[in-house]
Amino acid sequence: TQLLEQSPQFLSIQEGENLTVYCNSSSVFSSLQWYRQEPGEGPVLLVTVVTGGEVKKLKRLTFQFGDARKDSSLHITAAQPGDTGLYLCAGTSGTYKYIFGTGTRLKVLA
Amino acid sequence: NAGVMQNPRHLVRRRGQEARLRCSPMKGHSHVYWYRQLPEEGLKFMVYLQKENIIDESGMPKERFSAEFPKEGPSILRIQQVVRGDSAAYFCASSPSTPGTGEKLFFGSGTQLSVL
Repeated sequence: TQLLEQSPQFLSIQEGENLTVYCNSSSVFSSLQWYRQEPGEGPVLLVTVVTGGEVKKLKRLTFQFGDARKDSSLHITAAQPGDTGLYLCAGTSGTYKYIFGTGTRLKVLA
Repeated sequence: NAGVMQNPRHLVRRRGQEARLRCSPMKGHSHVYWYRQLPEEGLKFMVYLQKENIIDESGMPKERFSAEFPKEGPSILRIQQVVRGDSAAYFCASSPSTPGTGEKLFFGSGTQLSVL
């Protein structure tokens, strides 16, 4: 069974600080996605990474896919209160079935 | 261009009643997925449907749960004889084609089911 573990589970930081969220598995994924979910809403896709070692940047967010395609990280620079939310990683082995991680709940304090 | 529409947003049922959750995919999307999310957890795959066909229902309990996506109208997730453990947020997602690597899923806002 494929599992995706995210760490930390909860993170509370001050505005302006940097943070990194991790997504780890013992399984290899052909692609991995990161989503952000706000209370009462569905997840919204942030990025998809497909190549081992790939790095993608989205403004202050940097996403990296591990060389072996088993893990990924999300780094946020100078966090803002608007970054608050639940961050989910989701991996697939090339089919429609995405395995979601347990999530990291981020709170950025003003 | 409307996104994925789910209704109702909130549904309260007593134990033993039936719950019907509706999902209208984005225009032009013929692939629908249902996920369940428990508090403080990630999303768990339940079922994948194309128009009039169930492709994969491996994540859906075999009893009391059923799903359909008719030729006309929304996809329906039906839960019969609900129990308290069915309380969760149910999300629907759609995609324009069979997703392979990197295909984007568009999620609705979910239906929060509460069983009293």
